[in-house]
Amino acid sequence: QKEVEQNSGPLSVPEGAIASLNCTYSDRGSQSFFWYRQYSGKSPELIMSIYSNGDKEDGRFTAQLNKASQYVSLLIRDSQPSDSATYLCAVRSGANSKLTFGKGITLSVRP
Amino acid sequence: EADIYQTPRYLVIGTGKKITLECSQTMGHDKMYWYQQDPGMELHLIHYSYGVNSTEKGDLSSESTVSRIRTEHFPLTLESARPSHTSQYLCASSDVGQGSILAEAFFGQGTRLTVV
Repeated sequence: QKEVEQNSGPLSVPEGAIASLNCTYSDRGSQSFFWYRQYSGKSPELIMSIYSNGDKEDGRFTAQLNKASQYVSLLIRDSQPSDSATYLCAVRSGANSKLTFGKGITLSVRP
Repeated sequence: EADIYQTPRYLVIGTGKKITLECSQTMGHDKMYWYQQDPGMELHLIHYSYGVNSTEKGDLSSESTVSRIRTEHFPLTLESARPSHTSQYLCASSDVGQGSILAEAFFGQGTRLTVV
C-alpha cells in the first residue's frame, strides 16, 4: 500500500459546482496534511494545511480531516476554470519527518 | 513569496556528461528536498536534508548525489547523464523547529533536464 493514495480522477465538474478531492494515508501516526495545486508545467503551491480533525475553511476551499479513517479531503466551492490543475495531497508524520506526496488528481472545470 | 531558486531552468545535455543542478534558498530553512517528476506524473522524493552535512536518500532510487555544505545551498549532481535521467527536477525547502508541524514546503521553479 502506498503511503499516500489519491485514486480517483481525473475529475471534471461544471463551473460553479463543488469539486471534492479525496486522499487516504497509511501511517496512522501522521500529524500534518497539505493540499498543493500544480498547474501544468509549474511547481506545486500550497493551498491548505490541516492537522486537527474536522474542517478548515479558507475562502472557497475547505480541507477536511478524519484521522480515525485516515482520510483527508479538499472541497472547492463555486469551481472556476482557473481551478483546473492537478491537486496533490501531502502528509508529514512529524515535525522532523519528510513530506510524502500522493500522485495527484487532475481537476478540469468546464465553463 | 517563496525565495527558492533553481538553475538552470532548462538544460539539454549529451549522454555521459557530468551535470550539477543548483538550488538555493534565502529563507534560512533547515530542510531541503529534491523531487523528480515526469510530465503528468507524480512527484518522487529522491534526496532530502535536515541541515548542514545531513543528507538522506528518498523513496525513489536515483543515481544522483547531493551535498549540503551550507544551509542555503543544496546542489544535485549526476556524474554521468543518461537519457533515462530526462525529467523535471524540483527543489523544495521547509522550516524545522518548534511549531513547524504545519510548515509548508516551498518549491523552486524546477529544472527541466533533457539528456540526448
